[in-house]
Amino acid sequence: AQSVAQPEDQVNVAEGNPLTVKCTYSVSGNPYLFWYVQYPNRGLQFLLKYITGDNLVKGSYGFEAEFNKSQTSFHLKKPSALVSDSALYFCAVRDSDYGGSQGNLIFGKGTKLSVKP
Amino acid sequence: EAGVAQSPRYKIIEKRQSVAFWCNPISGHATLYWYQQILGQGPKLLIQFQNNGVVDDSQLPKDRFSAERLKGVDSTLKIQPAKLEDSAVYLCASSFTISRTVSYEQYFGPGTRLTVT
Repeated sequence: AQSVAQPEDQVNVAEGNPLTVKCTYSVSGNPYLFWYVQYPNRGLQFLLKYITGDNLVKGSYGFEAEFNKSQTSFHLKKPSALVSDSALYFCAVRDSDYGGSQGNLIFGKGTKLSVKP
Repeated sequence: EAGVAQSPRYKIIEKRQSVAFWCNPISGHATLYWYQQILGQGPKLLIQFQNNGVVDDSQLPKDRFSAERLKGVDSTLKIQPAKLEDSAVYLCASSFTISRTVSYEQYFGPGTRLTVT
C-alpha cells in the first residue's frame, strides 16, 4: 500500500535561515513525488515534483527537494526562509506502477512551517 | 488562465440535512477530483472523474455521498444525509489528463468548508 509520512507537525525557523520539511514515502513501484503548499483559507498550490532524472528538483518560490531512493525520502528545502513562507506544507506520492487509479495522490498529514522575523 | 472554481465557500447545516457542492475545473482539463480534508489531516480522495466517467470512487461513502460530472466539465458533490463527522473542507482539483507515464499536476480550488452541527 502507498503511504506518506511527514514526521513533524510543525517546523519553526528564523527568517534568513535554511529550512527543511521532511517527508518519507512507501510505494511498491517507482514513486512520483510532489510538494504542495496551503495558505489559510486557500486551496493547495503546487510547488514541485519528482518524476525521474536529477534527484534535486527545483520548484516555485525558491524551494527545492531532494529525492533519496535508499532512504525513501523527499525532503523540502529552502536556503533562506521568508516570513511569507509560513504555511502548511503537504507531501504527496503516486505509485507509477499502481494498477488502480491513475493520477491518484496519497497525501501526508501536513507540516506547519512557521518563519519568525 | 482561470483557476478551479468552487461554491459555496462556506456552508453550515444540521445533521441529517443534505448539501451540495459545485466545482468548475480549469478549461480543457479532462480529469477532476474531489477530496475531503479533515482538520489536521491531508486531503483524502473521494472520487476521480476522467471526462464524465468515474475512474475511482473506492473511498466515497456511497450510502450518503454522490457525485456527477454529466457533461465532462462541471461537477457536483452531494451529501445526504450529513453526519457530524462530515465536517471538513471539500476540495476540488483538476488536471490535464491522466497517464501512466506522465504525471500532470493537480490544480486545486479554494475549497468549501462544511460544518455539520
